[in-house]
Amino acid sequence: TQLLEQSPQFLSIQEGENLTVYCNSSSVFSSLQWYRQEPGEGPVLLVTVVTGGEVKKLKRLTFQFGDARKDSSLHITAAQPGDTGLYLCAGAPGGTSYGKLTFGQGTILTVHP
Amino acid sequence: EAGVAQSPRYKIIEKRQSVAFWCNPISGHATLYWYQQILGQGPKLLIQFQNNGVVDDSQLPKDRFSAERLKGVDSTLKIQPAKLEDSAVYLCASSFSRGGLSTGELFFGEGSRLTVL
Repeated sequence: TQLLEQSPQFLSIQEGENLTVYCNSSSVFSSLQWYRQEPGEGPVLLVTVVTGGEVKKLKRLTFQFGDARKDSSLHITAAQPGDTGLYLCAGAPGGTSYGKLTFGQGTILTVHP
Repeated sequence: EAGVAQSPRYKIIEKRQSVAFWCNPISGHATLYWYQQILGQGPKLLIQFQNNGVVDDSQLPKDRFSAERLKGVDSTLKIQPAKLEDSAVYLCASSFSRGGLSTGELFFGEGSRLTVL
């Protein structure tokens, strides 16, 4: 069974601060996705990283896939209250199981104005 | 483009009762998933359909959970009889397929929140 551990589980910061969320596993994934989920809604895909060492930027969000494709990080620069939510990483085993995602337990981010 | 539709949004039942959830995926999406999200945890895959066939149901508690997607579009997830530990949000997701394989980009519905008393 492939497991993904996210840290920290909770993050409470002030507007304008920077933060990093980590997603670690002992298993190799063919790709890794990051989702954001707001209360009462389903997760929304933010990014997919597929190559070891890959870095993707989405405005103030920077995503990195580890060289060995076992870990990933999400860095947010100058956080805003609108960034508040549950951030989930999810790994795909690849092959015909693509889409059978293993999710981490999530990081609850609260950004105070 | 309409998103993934789920109903009901909320359901409260007593243990040992039955419940059914309905999902209508995004038009043209051949792959459909049901996930269970317990409070404080990430979603866990219950079952994956490709058109009307089951691709993976290895984590579906088959003694009480069942799911079907008879015409390859809408899907229903049933729990009978429900247990206290089934209290969770049941998320339906769909994805486009190429060559019979999911592209891996999942679109989730808002979920159905089940409370078992």
